[in-house]
Amino acid sequence: DTEVTQTPKHLVMGMTNKKSLKCEQHMGHRAMYWYKQKAKKPPELMFVYSYEKLSINESVPSRFSPECPNSSLLNLHLHALQPEDSALYLCASSQDPGQGWNEQYFGPGTRLTVT
Amino acid sequence: AQSVTQLDSQVPVFEEAPVELRCNYSSSVSVYLFWYVQYPNQGLQLLLKYLSGSTLVKGINGFEAEFNKSQTSFHLRKPSVHISDTAEYFCAVILTGGGNKLTFGTGTQLKVEL
Repeated sequence: DTEVTQTPKHLVMGMTNKKSLKCEQHMGHRAMYWYKQKAKKPPELMFVYSYEKLSINESVPSRFSPECPNSSLLNLHLHALQPEDSALYLCASSQDPGQGWNEQYFGPGTRLTVT
Repeated sequence: AQSVTQLDSQVPVFEEAPVELRCNYSSSVSVYLFWYVQYPNQGLQLLLKYLSGSTLVKGINGFEAEFNKSQTSFHLRKPSVHISDTAEYFCAVILTGGGNKLTFGTGTQLKVEL
């Protein structure tokens, strides 16, 4: 099983809402990632978790709050977002956080629209 | 710091024609090189990667890429494209020696026409 799943596929939320994005993998990977992708742009790294600990935060605003409850799950909690946060949010995982050559497996993404 | 340049934002090509998507990188240290493909409304899928060894790398779906250290390039090629190859293609690098932060190029939209 080489699949990364993400829920929901689509999400529309108001600027005062609180919502969460979920990501799951059962490949035994110990590194998990959140990326943000705007239309016709490459993915931008937001967060990296290594062995369930936050190892990289790319200066992401605090209205985005990541959580890694266990080695298979990754959440992204959203609160008081702005319309410019509308984007495709991609989750990825890779086998060993210390080995950059490991392939990152991407999920299909959550299309987020902030109204 | 490393950077990745994909000079061609769009590449139109007829079906069954060959195609080359260009990628150049800059880094003061060695890098691992990747090509990912993104079909409409989907996540990214790895096509191929260069870690070391033979400079010609073969990937999925008939794609291959050649690492050229002197020109700091990693161009992607396919001898005969299909309509189904229409997608966005991203070149990406990671520094060797640790770390797992992918740096992506700006992407090339490959449009295959009949």
